Amino acid sequence: GAVVSQHPSRVICKSGTSVKIECRSLDFQATTMFWYRQFPKQSLMLMATSNEGSKATYEQGVEKDKFLINHASLTLSTLTVTSAHPEDSSFYICSASRFSGSVDEQFFGPGTRLTVL
Amino acid sequence: AQKITQTQPGMFVQEKEAVTLDCTYDTSDQSYGLFWYKQPSSGEMIFLIYQGSYDEQNATEGRYSLNFQKARKSANLVISASQLGDSAMYFCAMRGRDSGGSNYKLTFGKGTLLTVNP
Repeated sequence: GAVVSQHPSRVICKSGTSVKIECRSLDFQATTMFWYRQFPKQSLMLMATSNEGSKATYEQGVEKDKFLINHASLTLSTLTVTSAHPEDSSFYICSASRFSGSVDEQFFGPGTRLTVL
Repeated sequence: AQKITQTQPGMFVQEKEAVTLDCTYDTSDQSYGLFWYKQPSSGEMIFLIYQGSYDEQNATEGRYSLNFQKARKSANLVISASQLGDSAMYFCAMRGRDSGGSNYKLTFGKGTLLTVNP
């Protein structure tokens, strides 16, 4: 159990276009989902925390108008990169949180590799 | 603020030998959790092991064990009997409350690239 999917796994787009990435918890309900960004050979940086039915909480330095997050249901969160530019090219990973016993455990999706030309 | 430090950018180990990956942390929280994740070249994050701050015994999961020294604020990962498939990036992470106090969040270290040699 506890599978998280992401779609698409890889996307290439032109500069100025918008790209939507979906994150789904397949076999559990996730009250909280997280979006991370990872540049090559670097660590995961938390972009935002998303709770179902409420506005996302963005980390300092992350532009909320550029990275739109919608958490429409307990199993789906989307990240839209608006007016993408080459510097937005990165590996985007989502995770979904499930409370198990005394541990608030995060399960990660397989990631989406975004390349902006 | 929480901080995770992994001082080893890269480590090499011979197949079948044990290896220790270092992780130190800093937090003002009394309750926190420490995680280790493996990230192969495919990019997926694979959960390895968890240690709660109040757990008195070191966590173990198969060939993985966590050497938790609370006073020194360290949570080193020990991999025994290394296998070629263990070659990957390894991240130490800490779970704590965000600045608003309403959500848990993970803070990751910079990672250690482990290479297992045949």
